[in-house]
Amino acid sequence: EIVLTQSPATLSLSPGERATLSCRASQSVSTYLAWYQQKAGQAPRLLIYEASNRATGIPARFSGSGSGTDFTLTISSLDPEDFAVYYCQQRSHWITFGGGTKVEMK
Amino acid sequence: QVQLQESGPGLVKPSETLSLSCTVSGDSVGSYYWSWIRQPRGKGLEWIGYVYHTGNANYNPSLKSRVTMSVDTSKSQFFLKVRSVTAADTAVYYCARGVDWLPRFDYWGQGTLVTVSS
Repeated sequence: EIVLTQSPATLSLSPGERATLSCRASQSVSTYLAWYQQKAGQAPRLLIYEASNRATGIPARFSGSGSGTDFTLTISSLDPEDFAVYYCQQRSHWITFGGGTKVEMK
Repeated sequence: QVQLQESGPGLVKPSETLSLSCTVSGDSVGSYYWSWIRQPRGKGLEWIGYVYHTGNANYNPSLKSRVTMSVDTSKSQFFLKVRSVTAADTAVYYCARGVDWLPRFDYWGQGTLVTVSS
C-alpha cells in the first residue's frame, strides 16, 4: 500500500496569506495525485487532479505541482472560504488518501 | 449538474450486513466508476471500492472479503454491502463518481452516517 504523508498537520494563517501544503508518497505515484478540500460537515471537493490540473470551477488561486513522491498544493492568497481540511489522494497503485492538513484561521 | 444521494439504515447491529444505495441524477451511470468512500468521525478517508456500469467491481484489498457492490443502470442506482460489520465500520459513507480506472472522484454525495452498535 502506498502511504501518503501530509504536512503540516495544521497550518495557521490569515486571509490573504499564501498556503503551501505538502504530500509525500512512500513510493512513486508519477503524477497520479489529486487534491480535495473538505469543509466541516460536507463531502470532499475535487480541486486538483493529475498533480497540476485544476478541476472544473476551481479558482486560479489553487495550484498543484510535483511528481514522483513529492507534491505541493499552493493557495496563493487565502480567501475566508478556503479554511478547511485538504486531502491528497493517489491512484497509481490502488487508491489511498493522505491524513489531511487543516488550514485554520490565525 | 450531477447529483448523488446516499440512502440506507443509519444503525446496523454488529455481525450484520450494512446496505446502502446511491441514486445518481443529472447523468447516466455509463462510463464512470461509481465508488464508495468512508470516513470515521474525525478521521481520514478510506476508499472502499467501485462498480462500473457493466457490473464489474474493484475493491480495496483490505475490505475485499466483506464487500459487494452492484449497479442497476435502469434506475441509475448503485449499491454497497458490507458483511459482518463491527464498530470499526462506523463512519460517514460517501458515494462518488470516479473518473478513470483507479479513479479520481469529481462528484460526491453528501454522505450518510452509519453507526454499528447493538
